Amino acid sequence: QITLKESAPTVVQPTQTLTLTCSFSGFSLKTHGEAVAWIRQPPGKALEWLALVYWNDGKRYSPSLKARLTITKDTSKNQVVLTMTNVHPAETATYFCTHRVWGVPAESHWGQGALVTVSS
Amino acid sequence: DIQMTQSPSSLSASVGDRVVITCRASQSISTFLSWYQQKPGEAPKPLIYSASNLHSGVPSRFSGTGSGTDFSLIINSLQPEDFATYYCQQFYSTLTWTFGQGTKVEIK
Repeated sequence: QITLKESAPTVVQPTQTLTLTCSFSGFSLKTHGEAVAWIRQPPGKALEWLALVYWNDGKRYSPSLKARLTITKDTSKNQVVLTMTNVHPAETATYFCTHRVWGVPAESHWGQGALVTVSS
Repeated sequence: DIQMTQSPSSLSASVGDRVVITCRASQSISTFLSWYQQKPGEAPKPLIYSASNLHSGVPSRFSGTGSGTDFSLIINSLQPEDFATYYCQQFYSTLTWTFGQGTKVEIK
């Protein structure tokens, strides 16, 4: 069974760096084809795709946020970390991590999400 | 970037109705399109991938069609548990995977 769980601070101050951690089980990012992505959703708004890391350490970022995002994986801990620098209040959102199954073009498994409020 | 536009943004329907939600891509994406269902307070649930393939466990009243730029999610005989918001997502790009803005299905 594949599970993912996000952890993050509940409140971050504007201009600070946000660190999000995705802890997962049921698959390994050492395995060919595996990938983990991050997606966010401001309250009452649509989903926004942020970043992805592949099993081979290939990385993809949303073009509009690329300069502020860094995604890394720790295969020994089964974790993926996303850092976002210089956050602002409009980035208050629920942040989800997802898993992609090899050969299935979809975010096939989702964590429950973590609500992060950006506020002073 | 490939832009995804859903219509309508919301609709009202009754139990038993046939509902059609459309998603249009700003360029051809072949059949690289997925659909998700999201209920309030929950993570999205994958419904369909590659435009027309149902994920495991998804009821057969859900179906997807389309290719190129125009896609549809069809719900036959809407059930009470189907009232939710639905999102499309393109997987044609290998760099970034954009979502539509969502379609909220409400009870009439």
